[in-house]
Amino acid sequence: EIVLTQSPGTLSLSPGERATLSCRASQSISSNYLSWYQQKPGQPPRLLIYGASSRATGIPDRFSGSGSGTDFTLTISRLEPEDFAVYYCQQYGSSIWTFGQGTKVDIK
Amino acid sequence: EVQLVESGGGLVKPGGSLGLSCAASGFTFSSYNMYWVRQAPGKGLEWVSSITTTSAYIYYVDSVKGRFTTSRDNAKNALYLQMNSLRVEDTAVYYCARRGADGAYCYDYWGQGTLVTVSS
Repeated sequence: EIVLTQSPGTLSLSPGERATLSCRASQSISSNYLSWYQQKPGQPPRLLIYGASSRATGIPDRFSGSGSGTDFTLTISRLEPEDFAVYYCQQYGSSIWTFGQGTKVDIK
Repeated sequence: EVQLVESGGGLVKPGGSLGLSCAASGFTFSSYNMYWVRQAPGKGLEWVSSITTTSAYIYYVDSVKGRFTTSRDNAKNALYLQMNSLRVEDTAVYYCARRGADGAYCYDYWGQGTLVTVSS
């Protein structure tokens, strides 16, 4: 089973700053199989990025994804107030899906 | 508009059973693989189960194998999760989710979730 490790656990930033979130896989995965989600309290997750770098429908272009192999990154270019939330990466492999433990982006 | 609506959650004693449903609308349900994902209180997301379009293939996380059963009824646009021998650690919000459009490896729509509490 592939384990996804997200870092940092918490990122404290101010609106307008750039956020860089990391997701590291325990073994190499296809970029096609790596996704990112945003979750706010009391809400289901929302798909942001799929295929490591493709934005989902309706997602603002301040969100971008990159990476390959074992190292993937979600970047939020300029944090808006509504971006403070928890972010999860997800991967698929051998009929199993796993999520990272999440990175919380909170207001500094 | 795509909608997924879970129901059936509640309070159950350890060792008990509960059945969840997910009603789908706004898309051709029979064309999409479907998933159950859970989230324990204050914790992260955990994939629970997958089911392919024709139910030919069904997969489970190891911790629920032999206790949970996923099924679907394409005529009724419904997804189900039968949970038996429930444990305290199964307490979570259970979400149903749809595979991404065009076969993308992601979950593009999620329900609001239903809370399952296992406690004596």
